Amino acid sequence: DTGVSQNPRHKITKRGQNVTFRCDPISEHNRLYWYRQTLGQGPEFLTYFQNEAQLEKSRLLSDRFSAERPKGSFSTLEIQRTEQGDSAMYLCASSLVSPKTDTQYFGPGTRLTVL
Amino acid sequence: AQKITQTQPGMFVQEKEAVTLDCTYDTSDQSYGLFWYKQPSSGEMIFLIYQGSYDEQNATEGRYSLNFQKARKSANLVISASQLGDSAMYFCAMREAHPAMDSNYQLIWGAGTKLIIKP
Repeated sequence: DTGVSQNPRHKITKRGQNVTFRCDPISEHNRLYWYRQTLGQGPEFLTYFQNEAQLEKSRLLSDRFSAERPKGSFSTLEIQRTEQGDSAMYLCASSLVSPKTDTQYFGPGTRLTVL
Repeated sequence: AQKITQTQPGMFVQEKEAVTLDCTYDTSDQSYGLFWYKQPSSGEMIFLIYQGSYDEQNATEGRYSLNFQKARKSANLVISASQLGDSAMYFCAMREAHPAMDSNYQLIWGAGTKLIIKP
């Protein structure tokens, strides 16, 4: 199966450490999104890529967050100097954009716990 | 202002009964899309069904159907013949504006409804 995959599935880190998450989208999809979800809430948009270009970033994405999508394939999301408030599920989604469809398909998520 | 409202934080439904999950939305765009996703306790967000604002017929996908009432700005999810495996969080989401190569279609999400199917 070639669904969206994310690694790692779980990450526990100490406050102040850097963490990096990876997302591999569905291979023919040209868009890739990152969302953050805290307990009991719907996801919040963080950023998205059209191929390798990062086209928009949410105000939620502080300077400690950076995302890349080299060569328009997989993407990484890095959080520097983690804080306890960063604890959340980080979801990646991809879509194939056309005039008729833009459904986003999600990966299993990376659950981050900052101690 | 909330753009997506899901008024039912939680629901209990007897197995094999039909269930309706409510969703109302707010947008001034003429072209938009409405999505329903299911999120089991494992955390993965699973796409269920999509309704475009210009679609004349209500969307259906197997046991899922979307009761789209455009004038009332509601897009309720109907699950027929519920099963134990339907127990999960259900999210309604909206994408504003028509698909176009230079548009951001981030999804705007409701707070979700926790559905529990009783045996």
